[in-house]
Amino acid sequence: GQQLNQSPQSMFIQEGEDVSMNCTSSSIFNTWLWYKQDPGEGPVLLIALYKAGELTSNGRLTAQFGITRKDSFLNISASIPSDVGIYFCAGQPGGSQGNLIFGKGTKLSVKP
Amino acid sequence: GAVVSQHPSRVICKSGTSVKIECRSLDFQATTMFWYRQFPKKSLMLMATSNEGSKATYEQGVEKDKFLINHASLTLSTLTVTSAHPEDSSFYICSTKSSYNSPLHFGNGTRLTVT
Repeated sequence: GQQLNQSPQSMFIQEGEDVSMNCTSSSIFNTWLWYKQDPGEGPVLLIALYKAGELTSNGRLTAQFGITRKDSFLNISASIPSDVGIYFCAGQPGGSQGNLIFGKGTKLSVKP
Repeated sequence: GAVVSQHPSRVICKSGTSVKIECRSLDFQATTMFWYRQFPKKSLMLMATSNEGSKATYEQGVEKDKFLINHASLTLSTLTVTSAHPEDSSFYICSTKSSYNSPLHFGNGTRLTVT
């Protein structure tokens, strides 16, 4: 089945630093989404991307839908302690009812 | 604000009992809802797609008689874990879309612990 390769698996950074994480797939996706999950809670949508090449920002977060439709990255600028959490990329396959395939997550730790 | 409400947030039950988890769409009708399962430190895995008024579609390897899904109204889907065993202990999360072109939003999840 389709799989997403998300990297890095974890990151330990200093407050104020920029962060970058990405996802790649061997298959094409129609939609790429980025979620953040805090412990014991459901994922919260950060950014949704619908068109190849699309670059979208949400505050300090920027994400891009790769031209090949097989990859996406998420950047966080000037990280702050509340950015701590697990970030998941997710892709929606063509023809699906809306269900998503998730990457394995990037655990972000921010040192004040 | 919240798009999806999930209840309960935590449940502890004894082995052999059944547990029902509710997922409600808030302020919109959801003809389709999705149920995911997440093991500790792992990613989300789709279990089944819940369709209002018809049978749910289960992913390969998910026992439909074990995980009963009912989507009797346009705002409510329920997942019942029947005859629960310790290996069913997990984080169950429902999700849905508020419209055709909207992204998937998730409930806050239900932490199930089977003793």
